[in-house]
Amino acid sequence: QQPVQSPQAVILREGEDAVINCSSSKALYSVHWYRQKHGEAPVFLMILLKGGEQKGHEKISASFNEKKQQSSLYLTASQLSYSGTYFCGAVTGGGNKLTFGTGTQLKVEL
Amino acid sequence: DVKVTQSSRYLVKRTGEKVFLECVQDMDHENMFWYRQDPGLGLRLIYFSYDVKMKEKGDIPEGYSVSREKKERFSLILESASTNQTSMYLCASSLITGGASNQPQHFGDGTRLSIL
Repeated sequence: QQPVQSPQAVILREGEDAVINCSSSKALYSVHWYRQKHGEAPVFLMILLKGGEQKGHEKISASFNEKKQQSSLYLTASQLSYSGTYFCGAVTGGGNKLTFGTGTQLKVEL
Repeated sequence: DVKVTQSSRYLVKRTGEKVFLECVQDMDHENMFWYRQDPGLGLRLIYFSYDVKMKEKGDIPEGYSVSREKKERFSLILESASTNQTSMYLCASSLITGGASNQPQHFGDGTRLSIL
């Protein structure tokens, strides 16, 4: 079963913050985050492993709550270049595959 | 930089045809994956392979098969194409070290396939 992402879509003004959530119905081993710009391939952002760690670089970070079986992606002081569709990918049950969520469309405007 | 190359960016085929989608990666990755991407449904895994001649079904394997004769190449085959297989198809690869849990996947640009 696919993880559930929320919101489905969000529009921001440049400089605003956003949070994208990813919830799984199964226990999570890890969560991946990817961003896909229109007409391009998805690009890897980060991986979070079991242990509740928060990872990030620059103004994009993420957390992983193993107990709640969810992860959140934080975008602070958004830039136009952040626009795109964000996907979380869940690794459950120690398997070898990712199950992706349905995506969150994010648009940053001036 | 990892390069994942899909043979065609756009492809138009007819119902009932046998269709081959090719994917090549240049980073000696063990894992290779085929996804289809449809609006509102995200990326759904069709098949993946963790070694030459090895394959495992993903979440939506029906109507598809795969072939991996060489480590760098992973082919997706639509045995008898149908209109409901019109979609964007994405190939990806990753290292196998530590499993899928902690290895990023690198994607190709995708093949937009239309079945008429």
